[in-house]
Amino acid sequence: EIVLTQSPGTLSLSPGERATLSCRASQSVKNRYLAWFQQKPGQAPRLLIHDASRRATGIPDRFSGSASGTDFTLTISRLEPEDFAVYYCQQSEDLPFTFGPGTRVDIK
Amino acid sequence: QAQLQQWGAGLLKPSETLSLTCVVSDGSFKNYYWNWIRQTPGKGLEWIGEVDDSGTSNYNPSLKSRVTISIDESKNHFSLKMTSVTAADTAVYYCASFPNYFDTWFDSWGQGTLVTVSS
Repeated sequence: EIVLTQSPGTLSLSPGERATLSCRASQSVKNRYLAWFQQKPGQAPRLLIHDASRRATGIPDRFSGSASGTDFTLTISRLEPEDFAVYYCQQSEDLPFTFGPGTRVDIK
Repeated sequence: QAQLQQWGAGLLKPSETLSLTCVVSDGSFKNYYWNWIRQTPGKGLEWIGEVDDSGTSNYNPSLKSRVTISIDESKNHFSLKMTSVTAADTAVYYCASFPNYFDTWFDSWGQGTLVTVSS
């Protein structure tokens, strides 16, 4: 199965700062099969980005995604208070679908 | 985008069968893929399996021997059954969907059901 590794495990930042989250796949994942999710305590994950770089409906433009080979990046340009959460990458290139372990973005 | 609401028993004893149902509203069964995903503190998010609108299913090999996902289009719902549960199956279970064979991103999720397996 495709293993996704996310780094860092935790990112401590202040509101207004830029967050850069990484996701590396153990084998090739086409861009169209990589998504990012945000999860807050007690809630289901919410789709942020699909096709590696396309924002889902209603997602603010401070969220962006990019890809280079097997490395994928989620960038939050300026953190808002509601952005402090856990972020997961997920691949649907191959079964079984797999998720990364997550990056927690917390308030510094 | 489908709206999903799920329900099922939250407390099971070891060896019992887990049974969860997810109702689909504001949408159609056609072309969608219906999934179950679980989340534990230790293993994170784990995809359990999917079923399409024709009833064809795929499962995570790690759970395949114990899991059945089925649809009932007439009742607008799909279900998860997992046999012989153990404490390791304690998790929050989510139903989720993606739009079609080509657009395989989970754009709709149920609210989650905490299932605890304990004697």
